[in-house]
Amino acid sequence: AQTVTQSQPEMSVQEAETVTLSCTYDTSESDYYLFWYKQPPSRQMILVIRQEAYKQQNATENRFSVNFQKAAKSFSLKISDSQLGDAAMYFCAYRSAGWNNDMRFGAGTRLTVKP
Amino acid sequence: DAGVTQSPTHLIKTRGQQVTLRCSPKSGHDTVSWYQQALGQGPQFIFQYYEEEERQRGNFPDRFSGHQFPNYSSELNVNALLLGDSALYLCASSLLSATGYTFGSGTRLTVV
Repeated sequence: AQTVTQSQPEMSVQEAETVTLSCTYDTSESDYYLFWYKQPPSRQMILVIRQEAYKQQNATENRFSVNFQKAAKSFSLKISDSQLGDAAMYFCAYRSAGWNNDMRFGAGTRLTVKP
Repeated sequence: DAGVTQSPTHLIKTRGQQVTLRCSPKSGHDTVSWYQQALGQGPQFIFQYYEEEERQRGNFPDRFSGHQFPNYSSELNVNALLLGDSALYLCASSLLSATGYTFGSGTRLTVV
């Protein structure tokens, strides 16, 4: 079964600085999707960025970018120019491209942004 | 364009009771997935519905059941509630063929 591991329960960053959140996963599949979701106190999961495993190029969305290392099964999220509104729980998630395509989540990283 | 709507937002039940949570998917989506998120943890997959059938199921007991209606809306039912069922229940909708989910804001269930 696929598992997702986030080894950093909490991270802190100064406003305007850069922070990297770590994620590793375990799978025997070759075709899958990886996601980073943000969950603010409002509870709604908001998609931050998505990566298709067949794409070698790392995904980028404005201040958010990923470092996808398929061989190492690593998928880290870099937040540049951190803003106070970035403070939230961040979840890494895996979804198979096959039939059993339910989304599997890590335990989350709580990001604090200091003014 | 309405996103995923869940009701109620909060609920308090007593041990042994039964509860029904409701979810309306985003317009155009045909697949609904339910997740349980305990405090301080990541969401855990309960089950997924497509074409009114349970398509996949996670590691949850039979006390957890669901339904999908012809308009794609869905219900999650939990029987014989336990204190450990206290959690945030998230509904997510998608197209079966799509890669990502759209999540609702969840229902906070407290069992006392």
